[in-house]
Amino acid sequence: DAGITQSPRHKVTETGTPVTLRCHQTENHRYMYWYRQDPGHGLRLIHYSYGVKDTDKGEVSDGYSVSRSKTEDFLLTLESATSSQTSVYFCAISPTGDNSNQPQHFGDGTRLSIL
Amino acid sequence: RKEVEQDPGPFNVPEGATVAFNCTYSNSASQSFFWYRQDCRKEPKLLMSVYSSGNEDGRFTAQLNRASQYISLLIRDSKLSDSATYLCVVNKDSDYKLSFGAGTTVTVRA
Repeated sequence: DAGITQSPRHKVTETGTPVTLRCHQTENHRYMYWYRQDPGHGLRLIHYSYGVKDTDKGEVSDGYSVSRSKTEDFLLTLESATSSQTSVYFCAISPTGDNSNQPQHFGDGTRLSIL
Repeated sequence: RKEVEQDPGPFNVPEGATVAFNCTYSNSASQSFFWYRQDCRKEPKLLMSVYSSGNEDGRFTAQLNRASQYISLLIRDSKLSDSATYLCVVNKDSDYKLSFGAGTTVTVRA
């Protein structure tokens, strides 16, 4: 399995609190991604990174920010969590942006509940 | 219209049966296609890439129909362990962005 660790694995918090999820990889891959998965929807891209300090928005980025200060770590922050952000969050990595040859591999996921 | 659409199922089949299902995609410029498998409360895992000429991996066969913009997955000789949700994945306008279908659930019964 790809060396991807997400933490925490589960979290319950209250509306309005800040939350940070961490994705750590040991593969030295350049590309890292944060997705959310909700019932009835496919995985939706929140933000992605194509290198240290290089990040960009995905399709559902409102309410989220990211940081990548080291190759191995990609952090996702909910500055002020809302109930609509209750979801399962997956981190993914790939060595290059060329998905045709090197598809993305996923971490175990973080189940986040915002009450 | 969703970028990737799948029949959610569930497809309930007996062991040893063949099951097949499709996925349609909206972006005619898409070049990369995949099937991922996701077990309940687990992460998606790559099952196979889908190539233009179609391809097999053991009991799994994937086909691509560019004219009608769909891909298919066929599972032969179903095993209990094939019970999972199968995600159709297509690249967007750039290779590093992917669109995911919501998944097709397959349940294989003894």
